[in-house]
Amino acid sequence: KQEVTQIPAALSVPEGENLVLNCSFTDSAIYNLQWFRQDPGKGLTSLLLIQSSQREQTSGRLNASLDKSSGRSTLYIAASQPGDSATYLCAVRTASKLTFGTGTRLQVTL
Amino acid sequence: EAGVVQSPRYKIIEKKQPVAFWCNPISGHNTLYWYLQNLGQGPELLIRYENEEAVDDSQLPKDRFSAERLKGVDSTLKIQPAELGDSAVYLCASSLGAEGYNEQFFGPGTRLTVL
Repeated sequence: KQEVTQIPAALSVPEGENLVLNCSFTDSAIYNLQWFRQDPGKGLTSLLLIQSSQREQTSGRLNASLDKSSGRSTLYIAASQPGDSATYLCAVRTASKLTFGTGTRLQVTL
Repeated sequence: EAGVVQSPRYKIIEKKQPVAFWCNPISGHNTLYWYLQNLGQGPELLIRYENEEAVDDSQLPKDRFSAERLKGVDSTLKIQPAELGDSAVYLCASSLGAEGYNEQFFGPGTRLTVL
């Protein structure tokens, strides 16, 4: 059974800092890994999707890496802003389903 | 292009009452998913449809939950009767196909509160 773990569960940083969110998974037989953002009371917004054959994806200030063999992914956020405050979820796709972690709740303070 | 549409956005009911949620996927997406998200947790799959066929409903509590996707487009998820523990966010997602490389796109969710 695939298990996805995200560390830390919560993080508070001052504006402007670079930060890294971590995601680990137990079964490396994945199709892809996705990072989502979720604002309070809202649905999921897809940030980056990394196919199993890829090592990283970038979008603006976000960079996600994937090391499938070790079961790890990181989401790097550069020059954090208060608007980045949200919960970040990673999810891994196997043949049968998308399995989510419990998320990292990020707060960027002024 | 419109994303995944869900309604209602919020629903408050008393326990033992029935409730229904509606989802319209992205046009052309054959695969539709219903997820349950409890507070502080990641979403968990309830049911997956390929067109009008439910191909994975192993996590759907069939004693009180039911779903349908009659014409292979929009879908309805029903709970009857609702229990206090059903309070959660119900998310709908869709993808072009069920293959693992297809990205899933999520709707805004329906937040259910059972009193």
